[in-house]
Amino acid sequence: QKEVEQDPGPLSVPEGAIVSLNCTYSNSAFQYFMWYRQYSRKGPELLMYTYSSGNKEDGRFTAQVDKSSKYISLFIRDSQPSDSATYLCAMKWASASKIIFGSGTRLSIRP
Amino acid sequence: EAQVTQNPRYLITVTGKKLTVTCSQNMNHEYMSWYRQDPGLGLRQIYYSMNVEVTDKGDVPEGYKVSRKEKRNFPLILESPSPNQTSLYFCASSFRTNTGELFFGEGSRLTVL
Repeated sequence: QKEVEQDPGPLSVPEGAIVSLNCTYSNSAFQYFMWYRQYSRKGPELLMYTYSSGNKEDGRFTAQVDKSSKYISLFIRDSQPSDSATYLCAMKWASASKIIFGSGTRLSIRP
Repeated sequence: EAQVTQNPRYLITVTGKKLTVTCSQNMNHEYMSWYRQDPGLGLRQIYYSMNVEVTDKGDVPEGYKVSRKEKRNFPLILESPSPNQTSLYFCASSFRTNTGELFFGEGSRLTVL
């Protein structure tokens, strides 16, 4: 069993829809939870990070962590074609440098 | 402009021919790392470095070497490349590792024939 599981998609939604991307994990010791966005032929870039449980909002993006269920989500409101990319969840222990990545979900927003 | 620069971006080589992928960052980051990205497997860490002259293995270090002689540079060396090392490689750096804020290069696509 992988430490971090992520549905690879692809996920295709119409412009303006609310998108929900999810990851599950097995290690309850993870404390930092990140979402990276990767455009085609580019390196990943950090979109949001959350420490421990709860929600974090940044513009159209909301990151949610449910530690009791070992489940994290990224919501994108009013999705735009420019949001089309692969989204990678990632997580780490508080004291460690190692980051565990999900395999990524490919998202396509149809105009 | 703050960036992580990798070279070459694309490379086709043959089995056994030594190659080096360079990585340089201009953000004075202490932490640097190499990943490979393969379909269905996501990003897997090859090696990382916490500071100059300090390196350690990641999850998939076999067949790779690294060095960290200067803070800004972290080259990845494939002494004798094999076809299973065909992959997309990313270098990343970070000033602070605790939050997981990694800055990635644009990637180096390597094909070993």
